[in-house]
Amino acid sequence: EAQVTQNPRYLITVTGKKLTVTCSQNMNHEYMSWYRQDPGLGLRQIYYSMNVEATDKGDVPEGYKVSRKEKRNFPLILESPSPNQTSLYFCASSNRGRSYTEAFFGQGTRLTVV
Amino acid sequence: QKEVEQNSGPLSVPEGAIASLNCTYSDRVSQSFFWYRQYSGKSPELIMSIYSNGDKEDGRFTAQLNKASQYVSLLIRDSQPSDSATYLCASKREGAQKLVFGQGTRLTINP
Repeated sequence: EAQVTQNPRYLITVTGKKLTVTCSQNMNHEYMSWYRQDPGLGLRQIYYSMNVEATDKGDVPEGYKVSRKEKRNFPLILESPSPNQTSLYFCASSNRGRSYTEAFFGQGTRLTVV
Repeated sequence: QKEVEQNSGPLSVPEGAIASLNCTYSDRVSQSFFWYRQYSGKSPELIMSIYSNGDKEDGRFTAQLNKASQYVSLLIRDSQPSDSATYLCASKREGAQKLVFGQGTRLTINP
């Protein structure tokens, strides 16, 4: 089954404690991205990756890091989480090079930073 | 001005009626448009995509695109309570991969 898998689904952490949210896709997609979703603000892109070892900032990258060492994986790293990073996070993937293709989303990770 | 704008709602429609959702965009280079449905706490799922001016129908859903006026709409015929969700409009520029989302419209279908 084609899917994007995120882990964990729910996470409560304390300010300053490093955490990683994993994302894996099995569709051989080149393009992957991370979004955060907040009430009234919609989905905002954090980081994206066009391929292995090719990552770039999205619209709201402050406080986040990513890496793309393998095509299927695109982890999101919060080195020192703060309460304003409490949000619902989605990883997404799509075929590169075709602007007509849809994005497939992971199940989401609800993060609370206290 | 936001790149993709939607009325946040909530929009309430009686069961069986037509629900009409609208979206406007400011970037004239936008080429592809997508409607995603998102249930509360769940991930967005694609329900319609449209690339050319005019109407595109798929079952109870019809997407409409007017590039001259820069708006996209989604019509849901014979609305069902299970259609109650937030609907996200998204655009892509020609040759680009990035999806730009509106803030979503919350739709409630009343039995």
